[in-house]
Amino acid sequence: DIQMTQSPSSLSAAVGDRVTITCRASQDIATYLNWYQQRPGEAPKLLIYAASSLQSGVPSRFSGSVSGRDFTLTISSLQPEDFGAYYCQQSQSSLPTFGGGTTVEVK
Amino acid sequence: QVQLQESGPGLLKPSETLSLTCTVSGGSISSYYWGWIRQPPGKGLDWIGYIKHSGNIYYNPSLKSRVTMSVDTSESQFSLKLTSVTAADTAVYYCVRHNFDNRGHNWFDPWGQGTLVVVSS
Repeated sequence: DIQMTQSPSSLSAAVGDRVTITCRASQDIATYLNWYQQRPGEAPKLLIYAASSLQSGVPSRFSGSVSGRDFTLTISSLQPEDFGAYYCQQSQSSLPTFGGGTTVEVK
Repeated sequence: QVQLQESGPGLLKPSETLSLTCTVSGGSISSYYWGWIRQPPGKGLDWIGYIKHSGNIYYNPSLKSRVTMSVDTSESQFSLKLTSVTAADTAVYYCVRHNFDNRGHNWFDPWGQGTLVVVSS
């Protein structure tokens, strides 16, 4: 199985802050990486697919990038509705796996 | 736009069979893969499997011996059965559409709202 390691597991940030979340794959997955947001009490929602493609309707303050086996989700200016959990997911193998999640909390 | 809605019992006893149905509205159930993902309370996401109406099915090897998925195109529904449940199967179960592009990239969107299934004696 491909293991996805997310960091940090949680962070505190204020509205307007730039937030960066990282996900490292246990092996090469090229750009087969997606990011999801899960607000409290809600289902996950797709933000980014194929490492850097913004899903339709998702604000442009969200962006994704890749460097080798390291993937980054960046929120350029955190908004009140952005607090919650974020998960990466690899789609390179026939067994999709998720990272452990990053909780973004109010500072 | 496509919407998904899970339905099924919320409380099971150990050793019983979990049966959930996902109803697809606003779009065709054909030509896509449809899947299930679960999330134990306070924990992360685990992929269970996905199925296409043509019969292609992929299960998580860790659950393969207990899982069965099916599609009913006439009702625009797909279903999950998980046998011999234990407390470890307590989770919110989400149904999802599994999308693919022409480069092989694939992702889960949209998601149903999720349904909590509790296994307890």
